[in-house]
Amino acid sequence: GAVVSQHPSRVICKSGTSVKIECRSLDFQATTMFWYRQFPKQSLMLMATSNEGSKATYEQGVEKDKFLINHASLTLSTLTVTSAHPEDSSFYICSAIGGGTGNEQFFGPGTRLTVL
Amino acid sequence: GQQLNQSPQSMFIQEGEDVSMNCTSSSIFNTWLWYKQDPGEGPVLLIALYKAGELTSNGRLTAQFGITRKDSFLNISASIPSDVGIYFCAGQTDNAGNMLTFGGGTRLMVKP
Repeated sequence: GAVVSQHPSRVICKSGTSVKIECRSLDFQATTMFWYRQFPKQSLMLMATSNEGSKATYEQGVEKDKFLINHASLTLSTLTVTSAHPEDSSFYICSAIGGGTGNEQFFGPGTRLTVL
Repeated sequence: GQQLNQSPQSMFIQEGEDVSMNCTSSSIFNTWLWYKQDPGEGPVLLIALYKAGELTSNGRLTAQFGITRKDSFLNISASIPSDVGIYFCAGQTDNAGNMLTFGGGTRLMVKP
């Protein structure tokens, strides 16, 4: 149980375009979802915390207008990278908690974003 | 944000050897977690520690929650090639909205 999926797994886009990444909890209702960014050979850095039905809470230094997060349902959160630039190229990972999982965060498989 | 100090950054060992890695923090955590991440994938939870002093095993893996609640170690015994990957420690506090703070990671390479 407690499976989290992400779509797409890989995406390549041109500079200036927007990219949407989906995070879904497949077998539980996620009251909270987290979005992380991981640059090559680095650790996971929390970008924002998303609670269903409310605005996301962004970490210091993360632009909320550039990284739009929508947690419209208990099983889906989306991260939209707006006007992407090459420096936004990274591995984006979501995690989710809720629905009897206690405090444990279950991680998605990640999305590799490459901006040309 | 805060990051845990994890060491070593990388290890290259022979198959069959034991491995030890640790994390330290200037802050107290209520929960310590150890994850493994394979290339191009999300992290997978290996061991969760909930009480200071707790020693927990999961197969060949053993982890301990430091008595001061500011450190933890992970041991892997009799390493095998599939142990290759990046291992992350993470700390969690009850009053931080279940947020995780990750260590910098330990890259483990195992020579058959």
